[in-house]
Amino acid sequence: GEDVEQSLFLSVREGDSSVINCTYTDSSSTYLYWYKQEPGAGLQLLTYIFSNMDMKQDQRLTVLLNKKDKHLSLRIADTQTGDSAIYFCADLVDSSYKLIFGSGTRLLVRP
Amino acid sequence: KAGVTQTPRYLIKTRGQQVTLSCSPISGHRSVSWYQQTPGQGLQFLFEYFSETQRNKGNFPGRFSGRQFSNSRSEMNVSTLELGDSALYLCASSLARGVVTDTQYFGPGTRLTVL
Repeated sequence: GEDVEQSLFLSVREGDSSVINCTYTDSSSTYLYWYKQEPGAGLQLLTYIFSNMDMKQDQRLTVLLNKKDKHLSLRIADTQTGDSAIYFCADLVDSSYKLIFGSGTRLLVRP
Repeated sequence: KAGVTQTPRYLIKTRGQQVTLSCSPISGHRSVSWYQQTPGQGLQFLFEYFSETQRNKGNFPGRFSGRQFSNSRSEMNVSTLELGDSALYLCASSLARGVVTDTQYFGPGTRLTVL
């Protein structure tokens, strides 16, 4: 079945760049998403990429997609303490209208 | 435009009881999906509704059910609650314009605690 994997934890210093990685198994992915979750809150959509794209930039966020290796990454430039949260990678399974989520990467930004 | 709203935000129930959670999608959105989030299992898909019809269901027992109304609002029901049903239940809505469901926007969730 479909699966999405992420590393569990990332710690960076304020002002540095953060790179969160994700791998997926679904061969028929159409869209891949990044969501952010702060403590006690729901999921906030950060960005998404269509499967025929290699890269998408949105202000401080850059998404890279390597479809051959089924690898997705999210780069956050100039990381701020307010970026501390859990980041989820999600794969839209085209045939069943559901999102398959990774386990989430906890990003800690040190001042 | 208002976001996805979920009520109630917090709920405490005891084993054996049943519970109903409500979700109002973003205006104009016709698809509503439900997810369960727990520390052990992460985020898992429960079901998705479009035009009052359940289009897909995840691997959950029949105690979990849902429905969608003509105004796209959705409810999910859990009967005979078990301790393991304690979780954050998230609702997501999308426009669902065509064959492929487009971007899902999530509500703040309902935190259910079963004692």
